Amino acid sequence: ETGVTQSPTHLIKTRGQQVTLRCSSQSGHNTVSWYQQALGQGPQFIFQYYREEENGRGNFPPRFSGLQFPNYSSELNVNALELDDSALYLCASSFKLAGDQLFFGEGSRLTVL
Amino acid sequence: DAKTTQPNSMESNEEEPVHLPCNHSTISGTDYIHWYRQLPSQGPEYVIHGLTSNVNNRMASLAIAEDRKSSTLILHRATLRDAAVYYCIHDRSGSARQLTFGSGTQLTVLP
Repeated sequence: ETGVTQSPTHLIKTRGQQVTLRCSSQSGHNTVSWYQQALGQGPQFIFQYYREEENGRGNFPPRFSGLQFPNYSSELNVNALELDDSALYLCASSFKLAGDQLFFGEGSRLTVL
Repeated sequence: DAKTTQPNSMESNEEEPVHLPCNHSTISGTDYIHWYRQLPSQGPEYVIHGLTSNVNNRMASLAIAEDRKSSTLILHRATLRDAAVYYCIHDRSGSARQLTFGSGTQLTVLP
């Protein structure tokens, strides 16, 4: 167990709705990153937050946004949900900005109908 | 854009060594290489990572080519518990981080 917790574990939304996913980092970690993993595929990097600032972004549209709080927990927000947003969303925390071991949570499974 | 490629699947016999290859041809100076593995319905688990030199830990070894455009994850003695999807990751640091996962190699370990 990594100490990274995500909530909710499963949720179902309809197209056009908005969703917020939450992640609690491992104690002492100031960096959190988010990933989308479609069924049968590898994770894709969405973005990373370091000390409450976005510090890197993958090829995702602006309707994917995030926040990191002073306690280093984080949220991923997705607006205007599309069917293709159905996936496992993973977060990972680390102690350093780059080149450090990532500690992953178990993920939030989002289904968009 | 960074590109990381891996074979879709590999098989190994139990207690034999396994060499999992990865190409990361767009790698540059300060970029790291990570390896993680994932079981169904679980988050990825750390295996090993490195920058330039070969790395060893209790789980595995990481052999990095001299030009750094490829690497090999070595499991010295495969066990049934090592069956998983193994992901190679190109970790581009700098002012804006980018992590590019390969598509993963499904490792099957035969008893």
